Amino acid sequence: ELKVEQNPLFLSMQEGKNYTIYCNYSTTSDRLYWYRQDPGKSLESLFVLLSNGAVKQEGRLMASLDTKARLSTLHITAAVHDLSATYFCAVDLTPYGQNFVFGPGTRLSVLP
Amino acid sequence: NAGVTQTPKFRILKIGQSMTLQCTQDMNHNYMYWYRQDPGMGLKLIYYSVGAGITDKGEVPNGYNVSRSTTEDFPLRLELAAPSQTSVYFCASSYSGGGTDTQYFGPGTRLTVL
Repeated sequence: ELKVEQNPLFLSMQEGKNYTIYCNYSTTSDRLYWYRQDPGKSLESLFVLLSNGAVKQEGRLMASLDTKARLSTLHITAAVHDLSATYFCAVDLTPYGQNFVFGPGTRLSVLP
Repeated sequence: NAGVTQTPKFRILKIGQSMTLQCTQDMNHNYMYWYRQDPGMGLKLIYYSVGAGITDKGEVPNGYNVSRSTTEDFPLRLELAAPSQTSVYFCASSYSGGGTDTQYFGPGTRLTVL
């Protein structure tokens, strides 16, 4: 059974600080997705990582994928309050996007 | 484009009642998905469809049924509602299942079974 784990599950950080969220998964997959969810809202796609060594950046967020280590990271640079949300990683078990398994989420709170 | 729309937004059911959650997308996406999200948890896949007339089970299909008669619509049917089905239900769609395609999510339906 595929397991997708995220670490930490809760993160409280001050504005201006840097931090990394980790996503580990237990089976082979070449594709990993990051989503953001604001409280009471739906999910918004952040990044799609398609191969080993893939790196994507958008604003203060940067995601990377190491398929050999089965690890993805979401790095936050100089956090701002607007980044407060829950971040999910998801792994696609199949080549055709038919079976996504989501991690439990990391609830990020950025304090002034 | 409205994207992915879901109705209703909220619903309270009594144990044993049935209902259909509606999902419509106007992006001409082939793939559609139903997830449930329990409080403080990630999403679990209930059913998915790769095109009209084709559906398959995900991780947690028990107690649910789906149909896909058109590209746009993918309703989820709950038969004999149970308290364990209290959750937020999200519908999602994508053009194809792989590559750079990501899933676009609807706003969700918050269901409570009492």
